[in-house]
Amino acid sequence: EVQLAESGGGLVKPEGSLRLSCAASGFSFSDYEMNWVRQAPGKGLEWVSYISESGTSIYYADSVKGRFTISRDNAKSSLYLQMNSLRADDTAIYYCARGSILLLFDSWGQGNLVTVSS
Amino acid sequence: QSALTQPASVSGSPGQSITISCTGTSSDVGGYNYVSWYQQHPGKAPRLMIYDVSNRPSWISNRFSGSKSGNTASLTISGLQAEDEADYYCGSYTSNSTLGVFGGGTKLTVL
Repeated sequence: EVQLAESGGGLVKPEGSLRLSCAASGFSFSDYEMNWVRQAPGKGLEWVSYISESGTSIYYADSVKGRFTISRDNAKSSLYLQMNSLRADDTAIYYCARGSILLLFDSWGQGNLVTVSS
Repeated sequence: QSALTQPASVSGSPGQSITISCTGTSSDVGGYNYVSWYQQHPGKAPRLMIYDVSNRPSWISNRFSGSKSGNTASLTISGLQAEDEADYYCGSYTSNSTLGVFGGGTKLTVL
């Protein structure tokens, strides 16, 4: 069974940093593209970032470009999102999602809440 | 404001059919056959229902179908059931600098 489990969220002050992790199991992690998608409280979905199977191709939404960094460790079957210069409008549930940049996400984690507030 | 436009809500009675629209531009929905649909129940993660406009994952009921005409994609649910009540989001690849965009979501109420 495919499982994705996010961790690392919590409360952080504006301009602070946080690193999210996503532990994958039940499939060959190194064979799959991965993404981060977020959802602000009571709002819709927003694609955040994409990384290819080997990590050589990486893309970001304009809203996080220059502040967030996606990475992966295939040996550990793990996906990461380093978030710097956090703002109040980054407050959201962050999901890791398996799938292509073509917005075909076939498996999702349970989500991890990040709250940016002073 | 979301890049793709969906109605805020739709409703239908059990057994009926409903259609949710998703309107974009030639840079996204109209330009590529990479439209997907997700179902999200309260407090749960989204679930893929339709991909590449009209393809259905093997685990999804054939009551769910997708289509596209011009810049508007549509999700149709036939034979409505109580468990279909959820939020539905469309998403599309886009040639803009942000490579993926979603709609604002549609709340489906089964009366």
